[in-house]
Amino acid sequence: QQQVKQSPQSLIVQKGGISIINCAYENTAFDYFPWYQQFPGKGPALLIAIRPDVSEKKEGRFTISFNKSAKQFSLHIMDSQPGDSATYFCAASLSMNRDDKIIFGKGTRLHILP
Amino acid sequence: DTGVSQDPRHKITKRGQNVTFRCDPISEHNRLYWYRQTLGQGPEFLTYFQNEAQLEKSRLLSDRFSAERPKGSFSTLEIQRTEQGDSAMYLCASSLAFRTDTDTQYFGPGTRLTVL
Repeated sequence: QQQVKQSPQSLIVQKGGISIINCAYENTAFDYFPWYQQFPGKGPALLIAIRPDVSEKKEGRFTISFNKSAKQFSLHIMDSQPGDSATYFCAASLSMNRDDKIIFGKGTRLHILP
Repeated sequence: DTGVSQDPRHKITKRGQNVTFRCDPISEHNRLYWYRQTLGQGPEFLTYFQNEAQLEKSRLLSDRFSAERPKGSFSTLEIQRTEQGDSAMYLCASSLAFRTDTDTQYFGPGTRLTVL
């Protein structure tokens, strides 16, 4: 049973365009939703994260939109650049004094055309 | 560099051999995690430590796998009698639990294991 479902599996976007990656989760007890960026040969690096008490969080060109009732959240990358080409993972966890292992989606391989 | 470090970065071994990986977390972090990542998949949780105590182990962690964090600092992950299905990237992450902001896990570069 996959607890965090991510789509699309791969995405090609023109430079300057908007990249959108979607995720859905099942466990309503999850209370922390990070996005990780991974380049080939590297470990995942935290990009941006959100808690379910807010509907949107923006950091620079990266925005998370969160819909608690639908149990969905998405990552928007504005003005996408070739350097954004990487694999992106959405994830969920139970944080703070409980088991906070991260449940990852399967990843989206993003390629930004120059 | 004060990030999470892992050693070795790459390991090639023959089926049936034992291998051991090391992870050095960020120095003040009290939690340490091991994940496994296969090609085209997201990382999957294996086990984690709170200081030196191993608090949870995934069903993915068979009896051939053992992890230790003897002094609450670095950790080792040993795989005995390796199988071809063990080929994967083994990732270590650390965090400072019980913070009021986020429990951000910082990942190391991983150890890529190839079992021939």
